[in-house]
Amino acid sequence: DIVMTQTPLSSPVTLGQPASISCRSSQSLIHSNGNTYLSWLQQRPGQPPRLLIHQMSNRVSGVSDRFSGSGAGTEFTLKISRVEAEDVGVYYCMQAIQFPYIFGQGTKLEIK
Amino acid sequence: EVQLVESGGGLVKPGGSLRLSCAASGFTFSDTWMSWVRQAPGKGLEWVARIKSKTNGGTTDYPAPLKGRFTISRDDSENTLYLQMNSLETDDTAVYYCTTDHFHWGQGTLVTVSS
Repeated sequence: DIVMTQTPLSSPVTLGQPASISCRSSQSLIHSNGNTYLSWLQQRPGQPPRLLIHQMSNRVSGVSDRFSGSGAGTEFTLKISRVEAEDVGVYYCMQAIQFPYIFGQGTKLEIK
Repeated sequence: EVQLVESGGGLVKPGGSLRLSCAASGFTFSDTWMSWVRQAPGKGLEWVARIKSKTNGGTTDYPAPLKGRFTISRDDSENTLYLQMNSLETDDTAVYYCTTDHFHWGQGTLVTVSS
């Protein structure tokens, strides 16, 4: 199975400041069709997960443009340009190129 | 609007069985690959099972540790997804989410395995 490693596991951020979460995969997530199958999900306290970004950089409709995804091959980043109170929660990266899909350990975003 | 509503969770003794259901609406269920994902209390997310659409063969996939105990199935005439869980263990205690292959998620149903 592909191993997904996220850093940091906890990220205290000041409101209005940027935040960044890194994710590394043990294998390339680039499909033969050229797409990179890395997703980012947000889980607010007491809520189910919510997909934010798929195929590394495609933001889901309705997701704030403060969220952006980037990366290449096996190294990926989720950036939040200006953290708001509603962004508090746990963020997961997930590989969707090979079953079983595997999630990273999660990064807890909290307000300083 | 996509809606996924899970049901069937509850308390079960180790070694017991449970069947979860997920009622889907707001999209073409029969064309959609569906999955179950679980989350143990205070822990991360774990993929449990996936079923492809019938047009893609309707095949099922499971992580190796769960193969043989869990069975995912679908009823396209009822827009319903199922998860049959047998020989349940305490480590199976979790919230079980129904998902359209990670794009849309239900609210989850809690399964507690305890004597």
